[in-house]
Amino acid sequence: DVKVTQSSRYLVKRTGEKVFLECVQDMDHENMFWYRQDPGLGLRLIYFSYDVKMKEKGDIPEGYSVSREKKERFSLILESASTNQTSMYLCASSPGREVDEQFFGPGTRLTVL
Amino acid sequence: EDQVTQSPEALRLQEGESSSLNCSYTVSGLRGLFWYRQDPGKGPEFLFTLYSAGEEKEKERLKATLTKKESFLHITAPKPEDSATYLCAVQAGGGSQGNLIFGKGTKLSVKP
Repeated sequence: DVKVTQSSRYLVKRTGEKVFLECVQDMDHENMFWYRQDPGLGLRLIYFSYDVKMKEKGDIPEGYSVSREKKERFSLILESASTNQTSMYLCASSPGREVDEQFFGPGTRLTVL
Repeated sequence: EDQVTQSPEALRLQEGESSSLNCSYTVSGLRGLFWYRQDPGKGPEFLFTLYSAGEEKEKERLKATLTKKESFLHITAPKPEDSATYLCAVQAGGGSQGNLIFGKGTKLSVKP
């Protein structure tokens, strides 16, 4: 089974703090994704990566950055956390095939006070 | 613009009462349509991939079907443990490889 793990299930940070969310997949998948999920807005893509050291902006990249130094690990960075970044953050990975289902981690519930 | 719309937003069923969830899509060249189940506070769990119109997939009480414009997730004789939010997503032919377009989901509640 594909396993995607995220570093924290729950996280509470203060406004202005730098926040790191880590994601690791164990199936040698090519692609990795970061989403946020908010009630009524559904899943929104923040950033994705098709290869090590490669990254592309999704629909809502403002206020976020990412890092992919190793194939299995994809990090999401909030440079200066703000209250409107309080959300559920979901990491996903996919093999990189023609038809490419994504597999999700358990999510990190981030609260910014 | 590529778009995925799910209906209804919420569905309440009695245990054993069969029903269907709808996913309508408008995309340029469908590569695949995916169904996920999401329990509260957890990440989405992959259920099915449908590749072309006419295809069907089944898993326990769930059956997914696909036409050229929509997909249905049929739930036969549901049980309370089927309560969850069901998400539909499509992968379009154009655009970035691997990116999925998600609907906002249908929240299913099954009462005993």
